Amino acid sequence: SQQGEEDPQALSIQEGENATMNCSYKTSINNLQWYRQNSGRGLVHLILIRSNEREKHSGRLRVTLDTSKKSSSLLITASRAADTASYFCATVNSGAGSYQLTFGKGTKLSVIP
Amino acid sequence: DAGITQSPRYKITETGRQVTLMCHQTWSHSYMFWYRQDLGHGLRLIYYSAAADITDKGEVPDGYVVSRSKTENFPLTLESATRSQTSVYFCASRGTSLHEQFFGPGTRLTVL
Repeated sequence: SQQGEEDPQALSIQEGENATMNCSYKTSINNLQWYRQNSGRGLVHLILIRSNEREKHSGRLRVTLDTSKKSSSLLITASRAADTASYFCATVNSGAGSYQLTFGKGTKLSVIP
Repeated sequence: DAGITQSPRYKITETGRQVTLMCHQTWSHSYMFWYRQDLGHGLRLIYYSAAADITDKGEVPDGYVVSRSKTENFPLTLESATRSQTSVYFCASRGTSLHEQFFGPGTRLTVL
C-alpha cells in the first residue's frame, strides 16, 4: 500500500519562482527521502531527513518534516527549467526492514522558461 | 560501465511467454530492489534482496520470480506474462551504510 501521498499531483510555475510540494504518510518512519525523476529516466535521490530532524537544506532544496502531522514538504527555490520533473517522497518505516522504501505517487512539476 | 544498468531497455512480448529482465550493479551493494511504475500508482516494490541468495517479497510479488546468485546481478523473471504486467520496471541498489537507493534507467515492458 502507498505510504506517502504527494500534493499537488501537478504544479506549473514560472522560472525563478519557488515550488513547494507536500507529502503525507501514515505510519511512524525512520526517515523520509525525496527523489526526482526526469521523463523517461530512473529516479535520483535528492535529500534525506531523519525522523528526529525538522529541517534540512541542500543547495536550492529545503525539506521540512513534521512527525506529529506525518507530513513533509520539499521547497525548490529559484526554480529553473531543468527542475521540470516528477518528485517523489519515500519513507523508510520504523520497524520494517531498514532498507525498504515506500513511495508516494509523485508531483509533476513543470517550470516554464 | 560503473553504476547500475538494466537490459533490455524496451521489450514487447505476448501473453503467456516467459520474460527475464536483467539488472547489474558495479558497486557491490548488498541490497537490490525491483519496482514497477504504473500511472496512478507510483512505484511499488516487487521483490528485494539483502545479499546474495537472500530474497524476499515486496508489495506486489505475484507472477514474478527473482534470484540472486551473485551480488552484482538481480534478474526478474515473469514466468507467464500477463497484460497487467505491462509497466516500467526499475531496478535499484543500496549499500549497507547508505540510505539512498540508486536506480537503473528502467525497462519498458509491453505485454500484448
